[in-house]
Amino acid sequence: QVTLKESGPGILQPSHTLSLTCSFSGFSLSTYGMGVSWIRQPSGKGLEWLASIWWNGNTYNNPSLKSRLTVSKDTSNNQAFLKVTSVDTADTATYYCAHTGLGAGISFDYWGQGVMVTVSS
Amino acid sequence: DTVLTQSPALAVSPGERVSISCRASEGVNSYMHWYQQKPGQQPKLLIYKASNLASGVPARFSGSGSGTDFTLTIDPVEADDTATYFCQQSWNDPWTFGGGTKLELK
Repeated sequence: QVTLKESGPGILQPSHTLSLTCSFSGFSLSTYGMGVSWIRQPSGKGLEWLASIWWNGNTYNNPSLKSRLTVSKDTSNNQAFLKVTSVDTADTATYYCAHTGLGAGISFDYWGQGVMVTVSS
Repeated sequence: DTVLTQSPALAVSPGERVSISCRASEGVNSYMHWYQQKPGQQPKLLIYKASNLASGVPARFSGSGSGTDFTLTIDPVEADDTATYFCQQSWNDPWTFGGGTKLELK
């Protein structure tokens, strides 16, 4: 059974760095074809893919956020991480992590419950 | 970026058949996926790679299409299907989502 859970600061100030953790079970990020992706959703709006990290360490970021994103993993502890630098109010959203697998056509087949992040001074 | 266009809203009666469309601005092969999101919940995968039913999803849901035009069909619609439905492509970088179609039941 695959489960994922996001954790983060809840609220942070503009220009600061957002650090999020995705703790998961039911799969290993050292297994071929496994990946974890980050997606966000401002309240009442649509979904935006941010970044993905794969079993082999390869990472892919959405160019719309330029170089503000860093995604990493701790395979031993079944965790993935997302850092977003220089946040502003436009980064206020619910952030999700999701399992991404080659076997499911590179879709997001399991999602965490999401963590709400508010950027405010 | 690949833009995915969905109708904003649909209203149907329980027991009817409904088709939700998604049109891509460029070809995405068969790498189109569909998600259901209910208020206050995370999205749930329904269909992957255009026509494959995700695990545990009722057979009332089906998907079709390739290239630039895709359809999610629910037949028959049940009251519990009230939700927003999103399409998403993973063929072109960056991966993108449609704006969502809100399905309401009459």
